[in-house]
Amino acid sequence: GAGVSQSPSNKVTEKGKDVELRCDPISGHTALYWYRQRLGQGLEFLIYFQGNSAPDKSGLPSDRFSAERTGESVSTLTIQRTQQEDSAVYLCASSPLGGVIGQPQHFGDGTRLSIL
Amino acid sequence: AQKVTQAQTEISVVEKEDVTLDCVYETRDTTYYLFWYKQPPSGELVFLIRRNSFDEQNEISGRYSWNFQKSTSSFNFTITASQVVDSAVYFCALEEGDTGRRALTFGSGTRLQVQP
Repeated sequence: GAGVSQSPSNKVTEKGKDVELRCDPISGHTALYWYRQRLGQGLEFLIYFQGNSAPDKSGLPSDRFSAERTGESVSTLTIQRTQQEDSAVYLCASSPLGGVIGQPQHFGDGTRLSIL
Repeated sequence: AQKVTQAQTEISVVEKEDVTLDCVYETRDTTYYLFWYKQPPSGELVFLIRRNSFDEQNEISGRYSWNFQKSTSSFNFTITASQVVDSAVYFCALEEGDTGRRALTFGSGTRLQVQP
């Protein structure tokens, strides 16, 4: 079956512009996660959705970052007034049941964001 | 606060050698899960194994084996008779269960290069 799909795969933009990154989770997965991976580093948690609500936004680095999820499916991560330190690969993951510990998260290929 | 340490930044071995990737974690929770993920050059993270905090049995899957020791807070990963296809970045991750937080805390990863 289809895995987690992210678009675009690459995004290059100028500093100060807004960007939107999209994630289509595996069909039927109620939990959705966003992570950020800076070059040569591990993944940093950004936000977790259970259905359409976000019980944990603790990883969002600033108020320039926001995310939403609709229809218990697609999620959009928006970064406003981008800065060069926002350059990273943004990874989305999903898992079948939210609120249940220990479920493997299934990751997409990520969006590579480059801020000029 | 939770933390995952992968002290080995990069390991290079020759094909057929055995190699162990170290992972040390910190948590105050009594219920937690540990994971290993593989990130090949293509970029997509692939789930390898999970282990919960109440199960210290070691696990073997083909050439892969995992050694979980609560006494030393370690969850090490051994590849026996390594192959070129094992070349990737390997991440250890922790999910804490006592607080209801579903985010994974990742180590910084170990890059494994298997030379032919």
